[in-house]
This record gives sequence, structure tokens and C-alpha cells, in this order.
Amino acid sequence: GQQLNQSPQSMFIQEGEDVSMNCTSSSIFNTWLWYKQEPGEGPVLLIALYKAGELTSNGRLTAQFGITRKDSFLNISASIPSDVGIYFCAGSTNAGGTSYGKLTFGQGTILTVHP
Amino acid sequence: GAGVSQTPSNKVTEKGKYVELRCDPISGHTALYWYRQSLGQGPEFLIYFQGTGAADDSGLPNDRFFAVRPEGSVSTLKIQRTERGDSAVYLCASSLVPRGVNTGELFFGEGSRLTVL
Repeated sequence: GQQLNQSPQSMFIQEGEDVSMNCTSSSIFNTWLWYKQEPGEGPVLLIALYKAGELTSNGRLTAQFGITRKDSFLNISASIPSDVGIYFCAGSTNAGGTSYGKLTFGQGTILTVHP
Repeated sequence: GAGVSQTPSNKVTEKGKYVELRCDPISGHTALYWYRQSLGQGPEFLIYFQGTGAADDSGLPNDRFFAVRPEGSVSTLKIQRTERGDSAVYLCASSLVPRGVNTGELFFGEGSRLTVL
């Protein structure tokens, strides 16, 4: 089946530093999404990407949908302590011409920010 | 409430017992999903409902797992003859389908943590 390889597995950074993480796939996805999960909570959507090559920002977060449709990256600028959590990439493919929520998730990147 | 609500938040059961997990989606969301998340892993798709019908149940691991959504709102995930390997967090999510187009943007509940002893 489809698999997403997410890297790095974990990151330990100082407050104020920029962060970059990425996700690659052996197969094509039509939609890429980035979620953040905190302990005891469900994943929360950060950014959704729908077109190959698309670059989208949400505050200090920027994500890109790779031109080959097999990869995506997420950047976080000027990290703050509340950025701590697990970041997941997820992809979906069209079914019957309509993308729906059957997502394949990566293994997650654990982010720790030292104040 | 405004978000996806899941009950119970924690469930401890013995091997071989029957378990039901409930999900109350965001009002107006016609699509509902169940995912399973094992420790240290990303969520894995189990089943997707559009309205009352299961549009895709390809992620259910075996016939011990079953889910229903009889009135197109609340859903129940049912697990028969539980096994220790069923221990995980079971996440429910819902999404809006504007003009029939499902964007894939899911809103997740906090999950039900199942522990099978």
C-alpha cells in the first residue's frame, strides 16, 4: 500500500530557530496536508495543499506541494515553545474524481523547542 | 459542543470482551471517519461514512471490527472478541462537504484510548 516517509523523526531546537521537515512518497498524491498533534489531543489541521507546486503560508508556517506530487515540506519560522508537538504529513488521492478524507499519514516528526 | 466528541476517552477491557466506541461529529458535517493510532505512529484509516452509508471500509483490519452511523450523525465503532493487539487510540474525524466536494480537511476528536489486557 501507499507509504509516506517523514523526516526527521525528531528535532530538538532553540526558541527562535527555523525548522524544516519533509515527507516523501513512492506514489502520487493529489492532496497534501500537514497536521499537528499535542499529547492527549487529536491531530489539528495546519495547512492543506491541492495543486502540484503550490506554496502556502499560515502565519509562521509555510508548506509546499512538490512538483512531482510525491513530496511536501513544512517550514516553521522563528519557533516558539508552543510549537512543541508531533507534526504529521498526510496525503490523499482522488476517488471518482473527488478527493476525500481517506488519508495516509507519515510517522510524524517530534518537535521539541528549548526556551 | 463545537468539536468532534468521542466517548469514552479511556476504555480498559479484557481480552475477548466486546467494546463500543462512540463519535458525535461536528454539526452539519456529512462525512465521518474512523482512524486508529498506535503508539509512536501516525493515524491509520479504518472506515469512511458519507451520510448513513459506509463509502469505504477497506481499512477495517478484520471482521471483528464494525461501524454504524444509522441516522447520518453519531457513529459507533464496535469491536468484538477484543485482542491485545487492538490496543490503540481510536480517532474519529468529520468533514464538511461543500457543494458535494470533499476537500479532505478533517477535524479530529480527542480519541478513545482502548487498552486490552
